[in-house]
Amino acid sequence: EDKVVQSPLSLVVHEGDTVTLNCSYEVTNFRSLLWYKQEKKAPTFLFMLTSSGIEKKSGRLSSILDKKELFSILNITATQTGDSAVYLCAVGNQAGTALIFGKGTTLSVSS
Amino acid sequence: NAGVTQTPKFQVLKTGQSMTLQCAQDMNHEYMSWYRQDPGMGLRLIHYSVGAGITDQGEVPNGYNVSRSTTEDFPLRLLSAAPSQTSVYFCASRKSSGRLYNEQFFGPGTRLTVL
Repeated sequence: EDKVVQSPLSLVVHEGDTVTLNCSYEVTNFRSLLWYKQEKKAPTFLFMLTSSGIEKKSGRLSSILDKKELFSILNITATQTGDSAVYLCAVGNQAGTALIFGKGTTLSVSS
Repeated sequence: NAGVTQTPKFQVLKTGQSMTLQCAQDMNHEYMSWYRQDPGMGLRLIHYSVGAGITDQGEVPNGYNVSRSTTEDFPLRLLSAAPSQTSVYFCASRKSSGRLYNEQFFGPGTRLTVL
């Protein structure tokens, strides 16, 4: 059974801290892993990592994929209150018909 | 482009009532799907469609029906609402590109309460 596990489930940090969010997966015939940010509305796309693109960076956010150990991390440096959100990790299933989502990590950044 | 649109934004039903959640996209995406999101459960796939006339079940399909008569529309029908279907429902779409996923766009969600 395809599975995506995120940790920690919740995290509280102070502005300026650096955080690392984890996502491990068990999916047969892996194709791609996606990260989403969800504030009090629909998820918005952050990154997609594949076999040919195992590291992505956008501003203070970066993500890497370890295909051997079957996990990905999302790093956020110099956190701001606007980073407070639920971060979702998703992996495509073997059949290529669905994204399997983890339960998410709730990040709270206090000023 | 409006992207993915959903109606209604909020709905309250009584147990046993039926209703249809509407979803439409104007990006000519082949793939569309419905998810439900419950506290602490992440997003769980209800039904999906890889093109007009083709639908299939996801992880939690019981109590829901879908159809895909056009590329643009993918309505979700609740046959006989139950309190366990109280949730936030998201519709999503993306271009199909084989088994390599690309960005999936989400609608704004419908918050459904079943009393």
